[in-house]
Amino acid sequence: GAVVSQHPSWVICKSGTSVKIECRSLDFQATTMFWYRQFPKQSLMLMATSNEGSKATYEQGVEKDKFLINHASLTLSTLTVTSAHPEDSSFYICSATPGLAGDVTDTQYFGPGTRLTVL
Amino acid sequence: QQQVKQSPQSLIVQKGGISIINCAYENTAFDYFPWYQQFPGKGPALLIAIRPDVSEKKEGRFTISFNKSAKQFSLHIMDSQPGDSATYFCAAPRHNAGNMLTFGGGTRLMVKP
Repeated sequence: GAVVSQHPSWVICKSGTSVKIECRSLDFQATTMFWYRQFPKQSLMLMATSNEGSKATYEQGVEKDKFLINHASLTLSTLTVTSAHPEDSSFYICSATPGLAGDVTDTQYFGPGTRLTVL
Repeated sequence: QQQVKQSPQSLIVQKGGISIINCAYENTAFDYFPWYQQFPGKGPALLIAIRPDVSEKKEGRFTISFNKSAKQFSLHIMDSQPGDSATYFCAAPRHNAGNMLTFGGGTRLMVKP
């Protein structure tokens, strides 16, 4: 149980275009989803937290107009990288948790990640 | 914001040996500390987590030891196997931020056959 999927697993796009990444919880309802970014050989950096039906909360330094997050249902969150540039190339990973972001012991289940390359 | 310092950055262990990874945290408000295992090109997977009411937890070859007074916790991998070669991340809850996690810098473990 507790499976999270992401689509696509990898994407290559031209500079200036937008890319949408989907994150789905397959066997549970995810009230809260998190989006992370990971550069090679580095740790996970939280980009934003989203709760179903409400606006995402972005971490300091993350441009909300560039990284659009939508959490329209309890099983789906999307991250859209708008006007992508080569510096946006990274590994994007989502995670989902069944409970609200108030239970410190609620486990985060991670998706397999999406490798974005912007040419 | 919670800071989590993880060491070592990389570790090479012979097959059958013990791998030890350490983490130190700052905020003492929470005692929930998960460890994640990540293989190249994959998302992290929860390996083991320790809850507030115990100082040690063992699951198979993996053991978490927790030292609250020292604000440290560690992962021990007994009888390390080449298949354990991966990057390991410790994490700790952020202060007053529910289940939002702050991750350590990661430890790249290589187990030599």
